[in-house]
Amino acid sequence: AQKITQTQPGMFVQEKEAVTLDCTYDTSDQSYGLFWYKQPSSGEMIFLIYQGSYDEQNATEGRYSLNFQKARKSANLVISASQLGDSAMYFCAMREGPYGNNRLAFGKGNQVVVIP
Amino acid sequence: DAGVTQSPTHLIKTRGQQVTLRCSPKSGHDTVSWYQQALGQGPQFIFQYYEEEERQRGNFPDRFSGHQFPNYSSELNVNALLLGDSALYLCASSVSGTKYEQYFGPGTRLTVT
Repeated sequence: AQKITQTQPGMFVQEKEAVTLDCTYDTSDQSYGLFWYKQPSSGEMIFLIYQGSYDEQNATEGRYSLNFQKARKSANLVISASQLGDSAMYFCAMREGPYGNNRLAFGKGNQVVVIP
Repeated sequence: DAGVTQSPTHLIKTRGQQVTLRCSPKSGHDTVSWYQQALGQGPQFIFQYYEEEERQRGNFPDRFSGHQFPNYSSELNVNALLLGDSALYLCASSVSGTKYEQYFGPGTRLTVT
């Protein structure tokens, strides 16, 4: 069964606007972590933001924020003030279990294209 | 501080051959994970090495094997290559027992013809 679901089609975003990328997850663990990575055309996965299942506050990292709704099992990424360099694939990932387990399950990704 | 490095960058092999991919983790990291990313898909976990042993394994056949060296660097070996093994192979390093994110290398693009 798929653990991470990202179903949005490719998105075109106007420069300087905000964009929200949807991610839902499936787990029966109480302790887990949620990550968002950016993958530009070069292929390297770039870490953006992390949310732990016990974190009460939504995570923020600069222009990135994670809208964590635990009861709905969603972890949406919000990119504010989009820049041309934000054009990339974005992957949501989950680490199940405690910190000792660093195995990640990834979704299929969201394509974002920022237009001037 | 060098990040995660992988070699080679690109590789072309013939079906049935064997391949070895290499990864050097970020300084201070002791755990190396390998992922396979097929075109248009998210990365799939292959296995993870810690203290020179395979600690976890994903749903991949025994044709996929690995090794971790005392300096924490790692190799991924794939035997009897199939066309379906064509993918981007990503190495990620992390610090065991912490919540820190995994740092990924640039990947090795393997093409099997």
